[in-house]
Amino acid sequence: NAGVTQTPKFQVLKTGQSMTLQCAQDMNHEYMSWYRQDPGMGLRLIHYSVGAGITDQGEVPNGYNVSRSTTEDFPLRLLSAAPSQTSVYFCASSYSTGTAYSPLHFGNGTRLTVT
Amino acid sequence: GQQLNQSPQSMFIQEGEDVSMNCTSSSIFNTWLWYKQDPGEGPVLLIALYKAGELTSNGRLTAQFGTTRKDSFLNISASIPSDVGIYFCAGRISGAGSYQLTFGKGTKLSVIP
Repeated sequence: NAGVTQTPKFQVLKTGQSMTLQCAQDMNHEYMSWYRQDPGMGLRLIHYSVGAGITDQGEVPNGYNVSRSTTEDFPLRLLSAAPSQTSVYFCASSYSTGTAYSPLHFGNGTRLTVT
Repeated sequence: GQQLNQSPQSMFIQEGEDVSMNCTSSSIFNTWLWYKQDPGEGPVLLIALYKAGELTSNGRLTAQFGTTRKDSFLNISASIPSDVGIYFCAGRISGAGSYQLTFGKGTKLSVIP
């Protein structure tokens, strides 16, 4: 199993450009989520999904869109990139959504720079 | 949102020393998780705790779920250079459908050989 796979690893965008960060997991996990990590801020939840066709907002959703058409994939879209979105983005998944016994498994991150 | 206070923010220790870090909250949690993040990689789960008072070890690492359910501790014994990284605590608040994790801001550990 590959676990949680994120692409690309690095990306540079100009302000106003759009792009999609890809995330795929092969563990048949119901729950998938996107976090951003900024220095001194820890991990902040952007969007999450509890199953195919279901998404919801996290702590910092503005400027990002998500969709979940399959169990395996959970892409994160930036429609019009801003310098404030320069960050490291992590996708994470877990097996169960209804119990406590489901630690998150993280991908290796996408480092995004917006100039 | 809920907040976790993780301390210390950073530590510089000599190789061979023991390390302690903790997380506290004003909320009650039913799950505590400890993660380690190596440079350039995603966080990796070290220890999961599911019961108040639970003490769990993973090699040189030991973590405890506080009896008040509002705190957790991670200890690393006899530190080695590969222990360098950022350690995150994360907690899950009890309740139906409460699957969201709240993360601490991390403890950055540096080990001096």
